[in-house]
Amino acid sequence: AQTVTQSQPEMSVQEAETVTLSCTYDTSESNYYLFWYKQPPSRQMILVIRQEAYKQQNATENRFSVNFQKAAKSFSLKISDSQLGDTAMYFCAFVPGGTSYGKLTFGQGTILTVHP
Amino acid sequence: GAVVSQHPSWVICKSGTSVKIECRSLDFQATTMFWYRQFPKQSLMLMATSNEGSKATYEQGVEKDKFLINHASLTLSTLTVTSAHPEDSSFYICSADPRGSGNTIYFGEGSWLTVV
Repeated sequence: AQTVTQSQPEMSVQEAETVTLSCTYDTSESNYYLFWYKQPPSRQMILVIRQEAYKQQNATENRFSVNFQKAAKSFSLKISDSQLGDTAMYFCAFVPGGTSYGKLTFGQGTILTVHP
Repeated sequence: GAVVSQHPSWVICKSGTSVKIECRSLDFQATTMFWYRQFPKQSLMLMATSNEGSKATYEQGVEKDKFLINHASLTLSTLTVTSAHPEDSSFYICSADPRGSGNTIYFGEGSWLTVV
């Protein structure tokens, strides 16, 4: 079984600044994927960024980037130039590859508030 | 792009009655779908894996006789909460992905259940 831990229940940042959300995981799988999801008040799950474990290069999506440290089992999310619309709950998630793909394990979540 | 649709978005039912929630993949076939439950300000917890044409696989601690899952076609999974009680009030959300490991995982919009 795998576990995902987000140790920051709440974070806040000023608009235009940078914030980093932490995530660690534990697994014995060698083939897996890691995700960051954003959940605004509407509760819709929005994919922010995805990382394949076999790729050493850190994933980036516009203002969002990750620091993937496979040996340390760490997967942090950096949000640059924070915007008011980034205010949401953020979940780190793990999914094994292969036949179990799709079965997500989520961290506890981090509530991010962006202040004007 | 691929979309997963859930219905209803909101439902209120009386204690002791049953309520059905539908999860549809609109433009792809899904042999497997996943059902999650989320209590306020908490993370998503996997309840069960819905398997097309066979029995669902339930996570430890989830009552299979209370949360009936049917996956009768490649595009539809249903979750029926039987003999609902106020403690079943929660946000229920499904997910699915086109066949193949590594594909994007799509979430439904979620369903709010309130049992009164």
